[in-house]
Amino acid sequence: EADIYQTPRYLVIGTGKKITLECSQTMGHDKMYWYQQDPGMELHLIHYSYGVNSTEKGDLSSESTVSRIRTEHFPLTLESARPSHTSQYLCAISGGRTDTQYFGPGTRLTVL
Amino acid sequence: AQKVTQAQTEISVVEKEDVTLDCVYETRDTTYYLFWYKQPPSGELVFLIRRNSFDEQNEISGRYSWNFQKSTSSFNFTITASQVVDSAVYFCALSEATNYGGSQGNLIFGKGTKLSVKP
Repeated sequence: EADIYQTPRYLVIGTGKKITLECSQTMGHDKMYWYQQDPGMELHLIHYSYGVNSTEKGDLSSESTVSRIRTEHFPLTLESARPSHTSQYLCAISGGRTDTQYFGPGTRLTVL
Repeated sequence: AQKVTQAQTEISVVEKEDVTLDCVYETRDTTYYLFWYKQPPSGELVFLIRRNSFDEQNEISGRYSWNFQKSTSSFNFTITASQVVDSAVYFCALSEATNYGGSQGNLIFGKGTKLSVKP
């Protein structure tokens, strides 16, 4: 079990708005990840971080950006949301001996 | 390239039936990790099991069991005496191993198998 928090859990916004999805953890793990999942579809890694001031793009190209200023937080930002950004966004962390990824509850984003 | 295939898109069973979810993977690495996750309707991904490529022992945890066979590149998941609460989408995933033995960042997921258990 891991303590991973994502806010908001649900978000409905209009096109063109800037949004930030929050992900925080209390485990002190260095590795954090963002996945995007369309309804009924597989997950795709869009960003990851192996520590403070370290961020990398994942396999799936995304218009979002991330930052890692503190170990506990890994926020994801969309500067100008579009309907194509409608999806579920899942944050994960890993660390310790097994390095298994544990996921947060997710944010369901709908852009109208 | 790494790839995970879950050929079964949807499975429907009646409560108390046994059900096996198939997972076939492709990788050129000799050291890698395999995972199963459960995603109930609430949307959260719940970790079920992690297996490294050197450990081919089958594992049993309550009604859940996993069969790892390197010869066929498969990591199948069986639920015995299924229950309605088992209804969810199940994902198989693969990751590389790092030099220090942990799993690499990128989890490659299959497309998932939606399991419906009817009372």
